[in-house]
This record gives sequence, structure tokens and C-alpha cells, in this order.
Amino acid sequence: GIQVEQSPPDLILQEGANSTLRCNFSDSVNNLQWFHQNPWGQLINLFYIPSGTKQNGRLSATTVATERYSLLYISSSQTTDSGVYFCAVVRGSTLGRLYFGRGTQLTVWP
Amino acid sequence: DTGVSQDPRHKITKRGQNVTFRCDPISEHNRLYWYRQTLGQGPEFLTYFQNEAQLEKSRLLSDRFSAERPKGSFSTLEIQRTEQGDSAMYLCASSFVPGLALQGGEQFFGPGTRLTVL
Repeated sequence: GIQVEQSPPDLILQEGANSTLRCNFSDSVNNLQWFHQNPWGQLINLFYIPSGTKQNGRLSATTVATERYSLLYISSSQTTDSGVYFCAVVRGSTLGRLYFGRGTQLTVWP
Repeated sequence: DTGVSQDPRHKITKRGQNVTFRCDPISEHNRLYWYRQTLGQGPEFLTYFQNEAQLEKSRLLSDRFSAERPKGSFSTLEIQRTEQGDSAMYLCASSFVPGLALQGGEQFFGPGTRLTVL
């Protein structure tokens, strides 16, 4: 398979702070997605970003596929940003399955 | 378009019983995936379909597990003779892959079915 490592495993912030979450992967990929899992377990799509940079409001993501990492930036964090953030990749030689990291647990305090 | 739906949302069963879960993908999506998530872990792949064809199965999918997508629309996942180790969240996802595209497309997940085996 492919190894997907996320850091940090836990992150505690005060409302208004900025943060950067990292995802490293061990092989070439042709798909990378970032998800936010809410307290009810629903995985919410944040970015589909095999390469390059995308922005959506206070969130942005950058994937450098040649160096095998992706970053998720959260600016001006809010309490509703709390939850687990997952990075997931599709290995370059395969067509379908997502390999997930273990996630970053983010807690934002008011 | 109401997204991916799953039924039931929760299932409590006794060890040894059979259970069946249903997933309805986004209507125009031709690929459907099943994953399993245990506490503190990321989801793990179980199997996926393109239309009605089951293209890949994980080694996690023991012979007690079977999945079908008979008409290329909804899918069912059945677990026979459940064990306590089967307790997990079962997630379904779907995506659209045009023609012979190599990439799998962006996957969208349903709310999951939480299984508890007593």
C-alpha cells in the first residue's frame, strides 16, 4: 500500500488563530482529498487537490506531488472548525481506493 | 441531488446475527466504494464497484462479508455471523469517472452506518 502520515495528531487553538496541517505520503499519487469529519461522523469534502493550490474562504490547501506532501491552512479559526481533519490519497498506479491518514484532531476554544 | 445516503444509520445486533446495510450513491455517479472506520483511525477501504462490476476487494473483506450492486445504482453490504470485532462505522462513497479515465474522481461520502455487535 501507501503510507499516509498526518501531523500534528492533535492541535488545540484559541479562536482567531491560524494553523497548518501537514500530510506526507510515501508514493506517487493521482488524487488527494482533504476531509473534515464532524462529531456525528460525516466526512465533509474540503479539497480535491492532486497538485497545486486551492482556496475556499478561510481554508486553503497546497499539494506538492513531486515532494509527496500536502498542507491544509486554516486561518482565523472558529469553534465550528473543531473536529478531525483527514488527508486521503489514491496511489498513482491504482484507480480507486483512498488511503487515509490517522487524522489531526483540532479543538478550537472560544 | 441529496448526496450519498445510507440506511440504517445505526444498527445494534447480537454476535452471530447477519446484518445488511444499504447505500444509495449520488445519482449520476458510476463508482461506489465501501470503507470501514474504527475509533481513532482513518477509514479503511473494503471494496468498490464501477457500475455493477466489483473491481477490487480488500483483504479486510473476509468471506463473511459480501457486497453487491446489482443494477449499478444502490449497493448492499452484508455481514454474516457478526463478531464483536465487526463493530465499526461503515461508510459508503461515490464518484464519477468518465470513460477510461485513470483517476478515480472526487469521492463523496454518506453519513455512515454505525454497527454495534453485542
